[in-house]
Amino acid sequence: QSVLTQPPSASGTPGQRVTISCSGSSSNIGSNTVNWYQQLPGTAPKLLIYSNNQRPSGVPDRFSGSKSGTSASLAISGLQSEDEADYYCAAWDDSLNVLFGGGTKLTVL
Amino acid sequence: QLQLQESGPGLVKPSETLSLTCTVSGGSISSSSYYWGWIRQPPGKGLEWIGSIYYSGSTYYNPSLKSRVTISVDTSKNQFSLKLSSVTAADTAVYYCARHRDGAFDIWGQGTMVTVSS
Repeated sequence: QSVLTQPPSASGTPGQRVTISCSGSSSNIGSNTVNWYQQLPGTAPKLLIYSNNQRPSGVPDRFSGSKSGTSASLAISGLQSEDEADYYCAAWDDSLNVLFGGGTKLTVL
Repeated sequence: QLQLQESGPGLVKPSETLSLTCTVSGGSISSSSYYWGWIRQPPGKGLEWIGSIYYSGSTYYNPSLKSRVTISVDTSKNQFSLKLSSVTAADTAVYYCARHRDGAFDIWGQGTMVTVSS
């Protein structure tokens, strides 16, 4: 049972906008930044969003992140078939532990 | 560009110690801006942070694994290592090493599968 809660699955059709939520508490998301990772099948995770809403170089601007209080969200606009992957949120807690969400499997219908 | 590569046995017997090494190439592990961490992923499950180390040797571990984990660094070899003692089948997973700053793991190794079985 992960401390950061994500929906186990999400889906959308090509071109749609989908959002994935990540819920935590005051000791993690509420007081620290949130990062998001994309894991394509059979590969290592890739940093998608850091510091709540920053994109590393090379990540398309179709991906965006936001945070409000003890929750965060990842939004994917203009959904593409290659976006089908597992998505994980992550954050520090106040004891400097790194917490991951349980992951959300995104299906492009 | 910076690359990380995990290495170590793919099969470990129950109750023994799992030992993995991460070799950093294309950059220095002694960079003052970054920590170096281990993350694992059991088959079909999510990610679990194991622990992290700074080049100076300061460490911090996942409380749920702390009693069994040791992470060390060898700056002369540009490597850091993981030891996990008293392993059981529940420790079977893909083990990743990664670089991080402010909690964001920005560069990952490809991962190595470790199976705990007699």
